Amino acid sequence: AQSVTQLDSHVSVSEGTPVLLRCNYSSSYSPSLFWYVQHPNKGLQLLLKYTSAATLVKGINGFEAEFKKSETSFHLTKPSAHMSDAAEYFCVVSDQLSGTYKYIFGTGTRLKVLA
Amino acid sequence: SAVISQKPSRDICQRGTSLTIQCQVDSQVTMMFWYRQQPGQSLTLIATANQGSEATYESGFVIDKFPISRPNLTFSTLTVSNMSPEDSSIYLCSAWRQGGATEAFFGQGTRLTVV
Repeated sequence: AQSVTQLDSHVSVSEGTPVLLRCNYSSSYSPSLFWYVQHPNKGLQLLLKYTSAATLVKGINGFEAEFKKSETSFHLTKPSAHMSDAAEYFCVVSDQLSGTYKYIFGTGTRLKVLA
Repeated sequence: SAVISQKPSRDICQRGTSLTIQCQVDSQVTMMFWYRQQPGQSLTLIATANQGSEATYESGFVIDKFPISRPNLTFSTLTVSNMSPEDSSIYLCSAWRQGGATEAFFGQGTRLTVV
């Protein structure tokens, strides 16, 4: 069975400092992994995705994530936080090989950016 | 990409009543899903909406409480029946186009408050 664990429910960083949001996954197959962002009262926006190509994935707004199979991790990073990055971030695993295409969401990490 | 429109965007309903949420996609999609996001929590998959057949429900969700229709490849409805305050949540529609995009698209959600 697939599962996703987001290790931090809340992360606070100062503006201009690096961001690290941690995600570990469990999957029986070759997983597809995603990071989504949800701003208050807004819909979900895809930040980036890993689908068995390059292990270092670049997304929008300067975010990156590295797929590490040996560590079963897919941590999200950004070199320099901006105030507009304050939001809820979800790590998602999907098993496409089995054909189900279902998303399993992590519990979310709320990122706070301090001025 | 695909654009997903949900109606209504929000509603306040009396307990014991039912609400039907509509989800319209601007192009044909293979898979459609319904999620629930309870206040301050992550997204939980309710069911997969199958075109022309009964929806496939996840553990903890039943057809009598959450009947789903999907009459064609671009439209689906979710009904929340006999509502109680515990049903107050955001309900999101999601769609996946097989063979093209490798990620799901989400509607803006329907914010339901049951009083």
